[in-house]
Amino acid sequence: SQELEQSPQSLIVQEGKNLTINCTSSKTLYGLYWYKQKYGEGLIFLMMLQKGGEEKSHEKITAKLDEKKQQSSLHITASQPSHAGIYLCGADRGRSNYQLIWGAGTKLIIKP
Amino acid sequence: GAGVSQTPSNKVTEKGKYVELRCDPISGHTALYWYRQSLGQGPEFLIYFQGTGAADDSGLPNDRFFAVRPEGSVSTLKIQRTERGDSAVYLCASSNRGTSPDTQYFGPGTRLTVL
Repeated sequence: SQELEQSPQSLIVQEGKNLTINCTSSKTLYGLYWYKQKYGEGLIFLMMLQKGGEEKSHEKITAKLDEKKQQSSLHITASQPSHAGIYLCGADRGRSNYQLIWGAGTKLIIKP
Repeated sequence: GAGVSQTPSNKVTEKGKYVELRCDPISGHTALYWYRQSLGQGPEFLIYFQGTGAADDSGLPNDRFFAVRPEGSVSTLKIQRTERGDSAVYLCASSNRGTSPDTQYFGPGTRLTVL
């Protein structure tokens, strides 16, 4: 079973619409990483959150970590075809940075 | 600068054969990680190198899997007597390991298919 639960598993969104992807853990997260994956390109780093309540933005993507550090959300504003792909959240266990645990991913499709 | 590179991008082999997968990390990164990813799943940790030594190999599924990083840069993942269940995308990542946060940067992966 996944230690990190991502929802939804897949998402089809009309171009221009907003969307949110969630990543939830039953344990406190010491570092939460968001990556995007496209076929043949590996995982592309998006953002990293460490502190409870932290929020970071890059272009039209905003990631938040809740105060309890057990849930993170990734919000995309005014979606574009370039946003299509699989979004993965990963977290470190607190002992060290390596051996990240991962969610199963959210597949995002953007309809033109 | 150049990112993490992996070769080959695709590898098809027959059951029982030996394969080697190569990872070239970002220059100067001391930490290197191998993961395995099956369809519809997140990456599964295999092994972590700090410099030349394997700091944690607890994710290697069995003794058919072995990895080396002799000069602290390029790493090779070796799989003996391949089985159909070994088919997956093998991902390599590297990180600086001297900064905080220590983000892992991934290569494009090697898609291994065992027939």
